Amino acid sequence: ETGVTQTPRHLVMGMTNKKSLKCEQHLGHNAMYWYKQSAKKPLELMFVYNFKEQTENNSVPSRFSPECPNSSHLFLHLHTLQPEDSALYLCASSQEISGNTIYFGEGSWLTVV
Amino acid sequence: AQSVTQPDIHITVSEGASLELRCNYSYGATPYLFWYVQSPGQGLQLLLKYFSGDTLVQGIKGFEAEFKRSQSSFNLRKPSVHWSDAAEYFCAVVDNDYKLSFGAGTTVTVRA
Repeated sequence: ETGVTQTPRHLVMGMTNKKSLKCEQHLGHNAMYWYKQSAKKPLELMFVYNFKEQTENNSVPSRFSPECPNSSHLFLHLHTLQPEDSALYLCASSQEISGNTIYFGEGSWLTVV
Repeated sequence: AQSVTQPDIHITVSEGASLELRCNYSYGATPYLFWYVQSPGQGLQLLLKYFSGDTLVQGIKGFEAEFKRSQSSFNLRKPSVHWSDAAEYFCAVVDNDYKLSFGAGTTVTVRA
């Protein structure tokens, strides 16, 4: 138990669907992150939020839309995805963004069919 | 830009044998360094970290890592491997922009 909870753990969606991934951290952290992990590729940072404000968008396609309503919750809204978007999506948090230790959730496995 | 290299894609080790996973980084100043482990179907769990001070760092599950500035390395070691150590291991470094850059990972297989 890392204090970062992701739901759902597994999601299968069609290319025309709209779904969302949810992340909640119980650590009192101020920074939250979305990472993408695809087979045979290094972990890719997608988005960074610090005190609810987006500070990083790592050239992510607009079909991925993050939302951070408060420092404890982070969403990733998904729409019109492609099969190549199938991956493990990891949420993470840290006390601050300045080089603090990052703690990861268990991940959400996404399959786009 | 920061980079992290894990030269070994896959390592197979016998249960009870020692394990060493290599990690090299490119960074001018003293880096923040991490090792994470990922069991199949799971997220990443922090094993240990180095920020400053003693260059030999102890972590969870009996792992340790040594920071060697002269070699730009942060190798992970465990003296006696258990079957439950079979997983993928990631080295990571915080870069100038305070972002965490990961290596490609090393998969460890433990044989009985």
